[in-house]
Amino acid sequence: AQKITQTQPGMFVQEKEAVTLDCTYDTSDQSYGLFWYKQPSSGEMIFLIYQGSYDEQNATEGRYSLNFQKARKSANLVISASQLGDSAMYFCAMSTSGTYKYIFGTGTRLKVLA
Amino acid sequence: DAGVIQSPRHEVTEMGQEVTLRCKPISGHDYLFWYRQTMMRGLELLIYFNNNVPIDDSGMPEDRFSAKMPNASFSTLKIQPSEPRDSAVYFCASSLTANSNQPQHFGDGTRLSIL
Repeated sequence: AQKITQTQPGMFVQEKEAVTLDCTYDTSDQSYGLFWYKQPSSGEMIFLIYQGSYDEQNATEGRYSLNFQKARKSANLVISASQLGDSAMYFCAMSTSGTYKYIFGTGTRLKVLA
Repeated sequence: DAGVIQSPRHEVTEMGQEVTLRCKPISGHDYLFWYRQTMMRGLELLIYFNNNVPIDDSGMPEDRFSAKMPNASFSTLKIQPSEPRDSAVYFCASSLTANSNQPQHFGDGTRLSIL
């Protein structure tokens, strides 16, 4: 069965520090994509970063990077130099070849402290 | 560039009424998805379309829910009759192609409250 697991329901981080949000996945497919989304309190879902299963390098987008460990089936999101505006819910999602449906994790609520 | 546009942003209505949610996907995107988000169940895919054709509606809760995509730039999700348990945030998303590497781009959602 395909599954995404986010084990941290909530996290705190001090402003300007880095934080890692965990995501593990389970799939028997060889080709898949992993995505992270941010949902601020205003409710919209914002796409942050993508990692493909065949990508050899970890994805980076500005202050966001993805620590992809394929053998461990983990795709952790790293946010560097946290800002107050990073306080939000973060969702990890997976899609596999042959289906275009996302499987979402339950999310991690991040609070950045001043 | 315009993103996915949903309307209304908020809807409050009484039980038994018909509710219609609207979505305009990003121009050129071939795939359109409808999701429901609740505290209890998280994000659930209800239905998705490819080139205006419904591909998978296995997530539609029951016959009270229906979705259409009459053209490439417009889709509706209808609930008739509505019930309090339908209260949720409904998202529409679109993506460019059918590859697993394509991100879905979400609208701002419709917060639906059924009294």
